[in-house]
Amino acid sequence: EPEVTQTPSHQVTQMGQEVILRCVPISNHLYFYWYRQILGQKVEFLVSFYNNEISEKSEIFDDQFSVERPDGSNFTLKIRSTKLEDSAMYFCASLATNEQFFGPGTRLTVL
Amino acid sequence: AQTVTQSQPEMSVQEAETVTLSCTYDTSESDYYLFWYKQPPSRQMILVIRQEAYKQQNATENRFSVNFQKAAKSFSLKISDSQLGDAAMYFCAYRSPNDYKLSFGAGTTVTVRA
Repeated sequence: EPEVTQTPSHQVTQMGQEVILRCVPISNHLYFYWYRQILGQKVEFLVSFYNNEISEKSEIFDDQFSVERPDGSNFTLKIRSTKLEDSAMYFCASLATNEQFFGPGTRLTVL
Repeated sequence: AQTVTQSQPEMSVQEAETVTLSCTYDTSESDYYLFWYKQPPSRQMILVIRQEAYKQQNATENRFSVNFQKAAKSFSLKISDSQLGDAAMYFCAYRSPNDYKLSFGAGTTVTVRA
């Protein structure tokens, strides 16, 4: 069964460093998403992406964040200068019909 | 964004018993989608069940069923014959028909006692 994959599973970085989180959505899906879950809190929408551009973004998704689909398979989330409060689980999802399929998540730890 | 409220931070259930998780939401839309996701300790998000608002019949998936009360804006999840593997955080989520992003509730942690 096709699935969404994410790498790395855990990323540790120093405050102020740039990180890139990678996702491979399911191949025939057209809508892609990033969500964030701070430990112990609810899952929050960050951004949606369709037809090679951002279709919607939340207020969390400020200028420090960017997304890209550099080729036909990868979907990346870049955080330019990480802050302590960026420590969270980041989930990628892709959409088929009415169901979003989530990846296993990347745990980002900012020290 | 729509507000999704899960008022039970934690629920405990005896193995083989039934537990019901509550969820309410706030919307002015007449058509939308509701979901329950399970998040085990691995933190993977797993879809449990989905309900389309235009369908009056409550969705059922094996031991999981919902009680969808559209007028009350309520969407509870019933887990029957609870198993140890059901222990997880459960999130209720709302999706508007006009966009595809999900709005999640705060989650309910379910503990299953052997």
